[in-house]
Amino acid sequence: GQSLEQPSEVTAVEGAIVQINCTYQTSGFYGLSWYQQHDGGAPTFLSYNALDGLEETGRFSSFLSRSDSYGYLLLQELQMKDSASYFCAVRNNAGNNRKLIWGLGTSLAVNP
Amino acid sequence: NAGVTQTPKFQVLKTGQSMTLQCAQDMNHNSMYWYRQDPGMGLRLIYYSASEGTTDKGEVPNGYNVSRLNKREFSLRLESAAPSQTSVYFCASRETSSYEQYFGPGTRLTVT
Repeated sequence: GQSLEQPSEVTAVEGAIVQINCTYQTSGFYGLSWYQQHDGGAPTFLSYNALDGLEETGRFSSFLSRSDSYGYLLLQELQMKDSASYFCAVRNNAGNNRKLIWGLGTSLAVNP
Repeated sequence: NAGVTQTPKFQVLKTGQSMTLQCAQDMNHNSMYWYRQDPGMGLRLIYYSASEGTTDKGEVPNGYNVSRLNKREFSLRLESAAPSQTSVYFCASRETSSYEQYFGPGTRLTVT
């Protein structure tokens, strides 16, 4: 089967750093995406990793290790507005349709 | 640019009724997707369209049909609604050369 595992909930305080892990087991692997979703809102794209290593975009970074079937999203200098759900999603096929398999999401609560 | 728009925002149906969820994008994207999201769950792909005139099944297509009316519009039809189809439905689009999917605001559907 195909599965993605990520923690269901994470809590942190403003200004801190938090890491959200994602491990995957899929029939193929071409890349790992991260999306943010605020309550009642639409998912928005954060990052995509196809190769091993760290990608940094402002306060957010994403890491991938293909040999370990593992990635993480790192959020630095946490702000209250970062309270949201974070989803990892795997692209498991080489086709142009770029279909994704999604994790169940991690609910991040940032406290003052 | 409005991005991805969906109508209606909310809908209540009785079991056995039919309806069509509308989605349009103004970004000239080739690929479009329909997802459903149940409470505490990730997104599950219902149908997708890699380009105008083509559609393909995703993970959970049973009970749904789609139409890619033109490049802008991708509709999802429930022929005979069932309570198990109570969910939030998201439409998304993607530029061919990109990994980023852009999501609409969602349609909250309740079937009683």
